[in-house]
Amino acid sequence: SQQGEEDPQALSIQEGENATMNCSYKTSINNLQWYRQNSGRGLVHLILIRSNEREKHSGRLRVTLDTSKKSSSLLITASRAADTASYFCATDGVTSGSRLTFGEGTQLTVNP
Amino acid sequence: SQTIHQWPATLVQPVGSPLSLECTVEGTSNPNLYWYRQAAGRGLQLLFYSIGIDQISSEVPQNLSASRPQDRQFILSSKKLLLSDSGFYLCAWSLVKSPLHFGNGTRLTVT
Repeated sequence: SQQGEEDPQALSIQEGENATMNCSYKTSINNLQWYRQNSGRGLVHLILIRSNEREKHSGRLRVTLDTSKKSSSLLITASRAADTASYFCATDGVTSGSRLTFGEGTQLTVNP
Repeated sequence: SQTIHQWPATLVQPVGSPLSLECTVEGTSNPNLYWYRQAAGRGLQLLFYSIGIDQISSEVPQNLSASRPQDRQFILSSKKLLLSDSGFYLCAWSLVKSPLHFGNGTRLTVT
């Protein structure tokens, strides 16, 4: 079964607005990662947050992690049309070795 | 810098035909290598991963196999394709406990 589940499945916003995507997981993790996928392409790593971290920033991205609730959120501020893509969370489970488990993704559409 | 090459980009194959997808990594040594499959509009399913030459773990029992003949070469194969093998296949590499770096994928359509 999938370790990570994203919410919502799809999100449509206007340029300049903020976009928030959530991810829930089931087992203990070493870290949680967020990836972006443009249509028909490979995934690109955005940010990694370790289990002992609560918040991390990278440019317009802000990721939070709540290990007590087994959940994470990705916030994209001041969105642009170029941010249109699918976003996936992936967990590196404590017992999974080097294998990441991906969620189903959130399809973000930013309208100009 | 490190790069990953995956080919072909698209492939249309009849049911029952063989398959060989190749992936190579440049600029790093002893990477972990992965094959993922992605159904349309869905997440990624891990098929195989390898921590070294001839060290391959299978995550999903099926008619696919993987080989790693060289340190930075990972091959996904099938002797006889099924309709259900259609999908988007992604190769990726990583160092231990580091993020994954993906190739551009192969769109496989089995007819």
